[in-house]
Amino acid sequence: NAGVTQTPKFQVLKTGQSMTLQCAQDMNHEYMSWYRQDPGMGLRLIHYSVGAGITDQGEVPNGYNVSRSTTEDFPLRLLSAAPSQTSVYFCASRPGQGAKGGKTQYFGPGTRLLVL
Amino acid sequence: GNSVTQMEGPVTLSEEAFLTINCTYTATGYPSLFWYVQYPGEGLQLLLKATKADDKGSNKGFEATYRKETTSFHLEKGSVQVSDSAVYFCALHYGGATNKLIFGTGTLLAVQP
Repeated sequence: NAGVTQTPKFQVLKTGQSMTLQCAQDMNHEYMSWYRQDPGMGLRLIHYSVGAGITDQGEVPNGYNVSRSTTEDFPLRLLSAAPSQTSVYFCASRPGQGAKGGKTQYFGPGTRLLVL
Repeated sequence: GNSVTQMEGPVTLSEEAFLTINCTYTATGYPSLFWYVQYPGEGLQLLLKATKADDKGSNKGFEATYRKETTSFHLEKGSVQVSDSAVYFCALHYGGATNKLIFGTGTLLAVQP
């Protein structure tokens, strides 16, 4: 059972480049989220999904796009990278509302992104 | 709005010392409360949780009690080990069907031998 996986582990981009951060979970969780972690600011929610085909914005969505075509995958796209997007990105998933342990989130190992 | 405030770090302790990391929250209704731990180079892992007032969450020697009267969820451990060195995040969950956790800024704990 792999849990939540993320790729790549580390990426360097130039300003203006685009890329996709991959996230997959094999626990059949309904809910998935993307967070960014910055020093002194904790984790901030970027986008989330409550099921396949359904996504919504979190606290800091600007500059990021997401889609959820399957239950397993929830990629995060940076359309035109900016230095302000230098951060560590975490994907997380949890079971659906009403499921046992439904409020406990499971996190991936993170992707470190550096935008020059 | 809903928010979590936790004590700033770093917290530096000697092995076997007593640990307290303070966490207070602001929320409407009755949120669930969590402590997550992040070991160096890893993602966050759930440490413990409490879903209603007066519940005590516990795991790996850590404890926290959901105190609605003081809106607090302080993390404690009686005797820390070097292996407990990590960043600890307090978080609250609200919103029912939405997948929204609000995190504190994290507290770095460094335990010295």
